[in-house]
Amino acid sequence: QTVVTQEPSFSVSPGGTVTLTCGLSSGSVSTNYYPSWHQQTPGQAPRTLIYNTNTRSSGVPDRFSGSILGSKAALTITGAQAEDESDYYCALFMGSGTWVFGGGTKLTVL
Amino acid sequence: EVQLVESGGGLVQPGRSLRLSCAASGFTFDDYVMHWVRQAPGKGLEWVSSISWASANIGHADSVKGRFTISRDNAKNSLFLQMDSLRGEDTALYYCGASRGYYYGPLHWGPGTLVTVSS
Repeated sequence: QTVVTQEPSFSVSPGGTVTLTCGLSSGSVSTNYYPSWHQQTPGQAPRTLIYNTNTRSSGVPDRFSGSILGSKAALTITGAQAEDESDYYCALFMGSGTWVFGGGTKLTVL
Repeated sequence: EVQLVESGGGLVQPGRSLRLSCAASGFTFDDYVMHWVRQAPGKGLEWVSSISWASANIGHADSVKGRFTISRDNAKNSLFLQMDSLRGEDTALYYCGASRGYYYGPLHWGPGTLVTVSS
């Protein structure tokens, strides 16, 4: 069974840039997996930041961007702010009407 | 404004059944693919099931295949999840999600409904 991999944790300084990645235990992520990125703060429902690799959801600040970097999907935060401290999950379309979420990355801003 | 509101969660014994509902408003329901995603206490998100606009395409995670059934009623702007043969590992907060395109993950999310499976 294919596993979607993410960094368990990451740290960034306020104003800094950080790139979180989303890979596969076997193979490469491409736009054909339609990667999406979801932000979740404790006690809250997830919020979708990016879908279809690089399309920002309505109301999402442009400091969040999505891309494919090498063999992985990537979420880059440029000019991180304190309120960006959250858990970030990627999701990939695996075909036949099924999706898989990654294990999530806990981002600390300090 | 898009709104998704889940209901039907609660405490249920192992082996029993439960039916979750999701009421949608603020958008054209039958233009959206609908999803169920769950989150066990202290754990990450897990995609559970999805259903396309006219119910022609349905998918379930291996962990629930054969036990859970997703359905929708476009006339009532509602999504359902019939959960049978419940197990302790099904204990989770269940979110309803909506996506505009067939290949996209959830774009809009509800606040979730809690299901606890315990004797």
